[in-house]
Amino acid sequence: GQQVMQIPQYQHVQEGEDFTTYCNSSTTLSNIQWYKQRPGGHPVFLIQLVKSGEVKKQKRLTFQFGEAKKNSSLHITATQTTDVGTYFCAGGGSQGNLIFGKGTKLSVKP
Amino acid sequence: NAGVTQTPKFQVLKTGQSMTLQCAQDMNHEYMSWYRQDPGMGLRLIHYSVGAGITDQGEVPNGYNVSRSTTEDFPLRLLSAAPSQTSVYFCASSYGTSQGTQYFGPGTRLTVL
Repeated sequence: GQQVMQIPQYQHVQEGEDFTTYCNSSTTLSNIQWYKQRPGGHPVFLIQLVKSGEVKKQKRLTFQFGEAKKNSSLHITATQTTDVGTYFCAGGGSQGNLIFGKGTKLSVKP
Repeated sequence: NAGVTQTPKFQVLKTGQSMTLQCAQDMNHEYMSWYRQDPGMGLRLIHYSVGAGITDQGEVPNGYNVSRSTTEDFPLRLLSAAPSQTSVYFCASSYGTSQGTQYFGPGTRLTVL
């Protein structure tokens, strides 16, 4: 079946450094969603991208959807300790399903 | 609105026991689903429902049953618990289709001894 690959699995950064996580699919996605899960918490919706080449920003977070709608990225500028958690992408599959990546766990050293 | 609620928050079972994880939402969402989360495995879909009276299997349905008698409730039943079912279980709901924004419950941490 369709899969969404997410890299890296783990990322350790110093506070103030930038962070990027990537999602890739071998097939076209109808949309891409991003979620954040704080340690011990549940996934919380961040954003959805639908259009080819779409870029959206939320304060220090920048989300991109590739031109071919097969890849996406989340970039955090100048990380803070509050950014700690696991970031998941989820792509809309051809069968009407939502396919989650395995997540990138971000740790931030103060 | 309470959103998506799950009970219990923690549960310890012995191998072979059965139990039901409860999930309820008050947002009138048609789509509801159950995921399990294991380290390094991400979120794996167990079962889902597109509306009352309709359920279907996800990626890892074996050992679990679901029913959807009302729009609000979507319980997950473990028929005969096994250590491999030790996991964190999340219920989620969305308005409309499976590709809508997912609202997750707080989760149930299940340990099977």
